Amino acid sequence: GAGVSQSPSNKVTEKGKDVELRCDPISGHTALYWYRQSLGQGLEFLIYFQGNSAPDKSGLPSDRFSAERTGGSVSTLTIQRTQQEDSAVYLCASSLSSGEETQYFGPGTRLLVL
Amino acid sequence: AQKVTQAQTEISVVEKEDVTLDCVYETRDTTYYLFWYKQPPSGELVFLIRRNSFDEQNEISGRYSWNFQKSTSSFNFTITASQVVDSAVYFCALIPLNAGNMLTFGGGTRLMVKP
Repeated sequence: GAGVSQSPSNKVTEKGKDVELRCDPISGHTALYWYRQSLGQGLEFLIYFQGNSAPDKSGLPSDRFSAERTGGSVSTLTIQRTQQEDSAVYLCASSLSSGEETQYFGPGTRLLVL
Repeated sequence: AQKVTQAQTEISVVEKEDVTLDCVYETRDTTYYLFWYKQPPSGELVFLIRRNSFDEQNEISGRYSWNFQKSTSSFNFTITASQVVDSAVYFCALIPLNAGNMLTFGGGTRLMVKP
């Protein structure tokens, strides 16, 4: 299909391990977003890319979280030394450009930290 | 800062009933965009509608309709003749034109449509 794809769909890891989550945006979309959905916090913004640049990293909860985007396409969200509170669904979205354009979401990666 | 409030956390209706999901927002920006997304049990957020702050016309799409009232800062969503497949969590969201690129979401309303 032509939608946003994310991998893996589910990830179980042990506390302290690093994890990488991947997002493939819709072809031609220059803006890419990461959000986190957890029971206690609802839907939270993490980071936004325009092209390969991340002008807004304000939502990253700690320095254990980082993200990169290469070739203006695929993005990877990395969580180092995972903690149990990192357990959540990580959602990726893309839009034609930044600003008010509609964001289209992927199916998410369900992360469980034991 | 922006804020979106969906006061109804859970609604249960019987199939064929009409149901309205409320959304109230706060923003200091004069130009902004409002959205509704549907999250079925599969988990993917599905885009339903986008509306800018200058367009207060109500919109109808099949059984779905939206009522945008700037005077009360509300953007309510009505499903007419609900169906079991409408069961999902619905999110209202806002993004200002010139104040960042992140969607601010409400807490969501879980709609359960019983046969």
